[in-house]
Amino acid sequence: GAGVSQSPSNKVTEKGKDVELRCDPISGHTALYWYRQSLGQGLEFLIYFQGNSAPDKSGLPSDRFSAERTGGSVSTLTIQRTQQEDSAVYLCASSQDRAGTDTQYFGPGTRLTVL
Amino acid sequence: GDSVTQMEGPVTLSEEAFLTINCTYTATGYPSLFWYVQYPGEGLQLLLKATKADDKGSNKGFEATYRKETTSFHLEKGSVQVSDSAVYFCALSEVGAQKLVFGQGTRLTINP
Repeated sequence: GAGVSQSPSNKVTEKGKDVELRCDPISGHTALYWYRQSLGQGLEFLIYFQGNSAPDKSGLPSDRFSAERTGGSVSTLTIQRTQQEDSAVYLCASSQDRAGTDTQYFGPGTRLTVL
Repeated sequence: GDSVTQMEGPVTLSEEAFLTINCTYTATGYPSLFWYVQYPGEGLQLLLKATKADDKGSNKGFEATYRKETTSFHLEKGSVQVSDSAVYFCALSEVGAQKLVFGQGTRLTINP
């Protein structure tokens, strides 16, 4: 079956612009995660959605970052007023989330470059 | 907070050599432990996992044992291949906190 898909695969933007990154999780997976992979910070958790529960936003680095998940499926990560330090690969993952042991399946990522 | 520490890379070995990548963790509870691998040009994928003390995860000839007494989850393979060249990430997730906490990654290169 289809895996986690993300779009766009690459995004180049100018400092100060807003960007939207999209994630389509595996069908039937109730949990969805966003992570960021950057040279300086490694792989960091950003936000976690599970069903209709309030999302865990504890990893979002600033209030310029927000995410939503519509209809329990597709998610969009929005970065407002982008800064050069936002340049990174943004990874989305999904899982069945029956427990913390469930395997998270990762998408190919969106490489964001802020000029 | 929770953290994972991996051995510094990069690691370069010859084909058929024995591999160990060290991983230790700090956690308040009893986490699940994972090794993820990122092959060149590909996304992160789960290599193996262990959910409780003394469990051994294994896959593709790789093994790791959950050692609670030393808070470690070292990755081993008896005979590496060129196709094992990749970046390896150790990670944990606490019970009730589903997010993964990753180590910094170890780049492995296997020469023929």
